[in-house]
Amino acid sequence: AQSVTQLDSHVSVSEGTPVLLRCNYSSSYSPSLFWYVQHPNKGLQLLLKYTSAATLVKGINGFEAEFKKSETSFHLTKPSAHMSDAAEYFCVVRSYYSGYSTLTFGKGTMLLVSP
Amino acid sequence: NAGVMQNPRHLVRRRGQEARLRCSPMKGHSHVYWYRQLPEEGLKFMVYLQKENIIDESGMPKERFSAEFPKEGPSILRIQQVVRGDSAAYFCASSPEDRLTQLYEQYFGPGTRLTVT
Repeated sequence: AQSVTQLDSHVSVSEGTPVLLRCNYSSSYSPSLFWYVQHPNKGLQLLLKYTSAATLVKGINGFEAEFKKSETSFHLTKPSAHMSDAAEYFCVVRSYYSGYSTLTFGKGTMLLVSP
Repeated sequence: NAGVMQNPRHLVRRRGQEARLRCSPMKGHSHVYWYRQLPEEGLKFMVYLQKENIIDESGMPKERFSAEFPKEGPSILRIQQVVRGDSAAYFCASSPEDRLTQLYEQYFGPGTRLTVT
């Protein structure tokens, strides 16, 4: 079975400083991995996805993530935080079955950005 | 092209009542997934449906919960005799009609926030 572990439940940064949200995965085969963002009382928005192409994946709003097989990690980074980045972030792995797939979510990391 | 629609956005029910949550997938999508987000938790898969068929309901509680996706109309997640522990956000996602569905993204709706009093 596939799973993801988000190592921090909360991360606090100052505006303009780098962001690092950590995620480790467990998968019996080459995984498909995603990061989703959820703003308060809103739905989920896909930030970026890794599907066995380039290991460094660029997403929207300046976010990127690097797939490291040797470390089973898929950490999300951004060089400079903006106030609007304050939200909850979910690391997600796709689980494959016969003819379909489902998504398995981590517990989420709340990103707090202070002025 | 409208996104995934869910209604109502907020639903309040008393214990013992029924809750009906609706999801209209994106145009051209015939695969629907339901997820539940409990407070302080990530989303948990509940059920995967194609038109008129339940493909995987391994995440559904065995009692009181049911889902359908009829040939016409939205997908419905039905919770009978709600209890306080059912209070959560319920998200619906859809993906395109294709045998290679596993390669496609799931597009999420805004969710229905159910509160049981």
